[in-house]
Amino acid sequence: GAVVSQHPSWVICKSGTSVKIECRSLDFQATTMFWYRQFPKQSLMLMATSNEGSKATYEQGVEKDKFLINHASLTLSTLTVTSAHPEDSSFYICSARGTSGRGGYEQYFGPGTRLTVT
Amino acid sequence: GNSVTQMEGPVTLSEEAFLTINCTYTATGYPSLFWYVQYPGEGLQLLLKATKADDKGSNKGFEATYRKETTSFHLEKGSVQVSDSAVYFCALSRGGSTLGRLYFGRGTQLTVWP
Repeated sequence: GAVVSQHPSWVICKSGTSVKIECRSLDFQATTMFWYRQFPKQSLMLMATSNEGSKATYEQGVEKDKFLINHASLTLSTLTVTSAHPEDSSFYICSARGTSGRGGYEQYFGPGTRLTVT
Repeated sequence: GNSVTQMEGPVTLSEEAFLTINCTYTATGYPSLFWYVQYPGEGLQLLLKATKADDKGSNKGFEATYRKETTSFHLEKGSVQVSDSAVYFCALSRGGSTLGRLYFGRGTQLTVWP
């Protein structure tokens, strides 16, 4: 199947700082990428949907000024957690949906990024 | 609204035991149903899917049948292996494929002992 990577795999930052997480589709072009958040022993919660070249669509209750999403190319989307606080500590997972061909129309998931805010 | 309820784990089995992980859903219309698996340190992978009532999805010895009358999509495997140890997520999507957003259950941790 198609491969999606995330970087970093884990990060520890101090309260008040910003953290950027990258999501890349390695062998296909992704017009749409999704960002999820997962709490321990809980389901994946969709945060936002990003389409290449346009603004992300955020789910209700997700602060768009806090979780900045940029999808500048067909292979890269970034999530920036601004002014992070301990309650932002979580596991963040991205997925990418191809257009056709190699990626098809399935969603492919990255391995996730563990964020810990101290 | 759309939601997925999945049996809580963890589930611990001996090798070659029979596996059932229950999943029920709430949705309007005719959703597509999926099982994803997450091995340690890896991303979610699509295990199987079914897009209409009575369809059976199958892969790697796992099966699940789309039951509209009971709004269920239970995952089964006749003989589990140690390599099946992972977290399993049931999910639904409106629109007939994963084109639309996915709604996930909480996940069920499966551990298989030799």
